[in-house]
Amino acid sequence: EIVLTQSPATLSLSPGERATLSCRASQNIDFYLAWYQQKVGQAPRLLIYDAFNRATDIPARFSGSGSGTDFTLTISSLEPEDFAVYYCQQRRSWPLTFGQGTRLEIK
Amino acid sequence: EVYLLESGGGLVQPGGSLRLLCAASGFTFNNYVMNWVRQAPGKGLEWVSSIAEYDGRTFYADSVKGRFTISRDNPKSTLYLQLNSLRGQDTAVYYCTRRASGWGAFDLWGQGTKVTVSS
Repeated sequence: EIVLTQSPATLSLSPGERATLSCRASQNIDFYLAWYQQKVGQAPRLLIYDAFNRATDIPARFSGSGSGTDFTLTISSLEPEDFAVYYCQQRRSWPLTFGQGTRLEIK
Repeated sequence: EVYLLESGGGLVQPGGSLRLLCAASGFTFNNYVMNWVRQAPGKGLEWVSSIAEYDGRTFYADSVKGRFTISRDNPKSTLYLQLNSLRGQDTAVYYCTRRASGWGAFDLWGQGTKVTVSS
C-alpha cells in the first residue's frame, strides 16, 4: 500500500499570504496525484489532478507541482474561502489512498 | 445538472446490514468508473470500493473485503453498496464518487449518506 504523508498537519496563515502544502508518497507514483479541498460539512472537491492540472472551475491561484514521491499544492494568495482541509490522493496503484490532510486555518 | 445523490444510510446494530444507493444524473453513467469513499467522524478520507464502467470489475479496500459488495445498474444510472457484518469502525459518511475518464481522479462527489453502527 502506498502511504501518503502530508505536511504540515495544520497551517496558520492570513488572507493574501501564500500557502504551500506538501504531500510525500512512500514510493514512486509518477504524476498520479490529486488534491482535494473539503470545507466543514461539505463533500470534498477536486482541485488538481495528475499533479498539476487544475480541475474545472478551479481558480488560477491554485497550482500543483511535483512528480515521483514529492508533491506540492500552492495557493498563491489566500482568499477567505480557501480556509479548509486539503487532501492528496494517489491513483498509481490499488488500494487508492489519501493523505491524512492538512488543515489550513486563519491566523 | 450533473450530480450524485446518495441514500440508504442510518443506524444499524453491529453485525447488521445496510444497502446504500447512489443515483446519478446529468452524465452518461455507464461511461465512468464509480466508487465509494468514506469518512469516519473527525477523520480523513478512505477509499472503500470501485466498479468498472463496462465489465463490472470490482475492487475493495482490505478493511471491507468480504463484507461489502459494490454493484451498478447502468440502465438505471444507479450505484449500490451492500454493507454486511457491520462493525463500529464502519461508522462514517459514505460518499458516492465518479472517477474522471481513464480511471482518473474523483471528479464528482455526492453529498454523502451517514452510516452509524451502534447497539
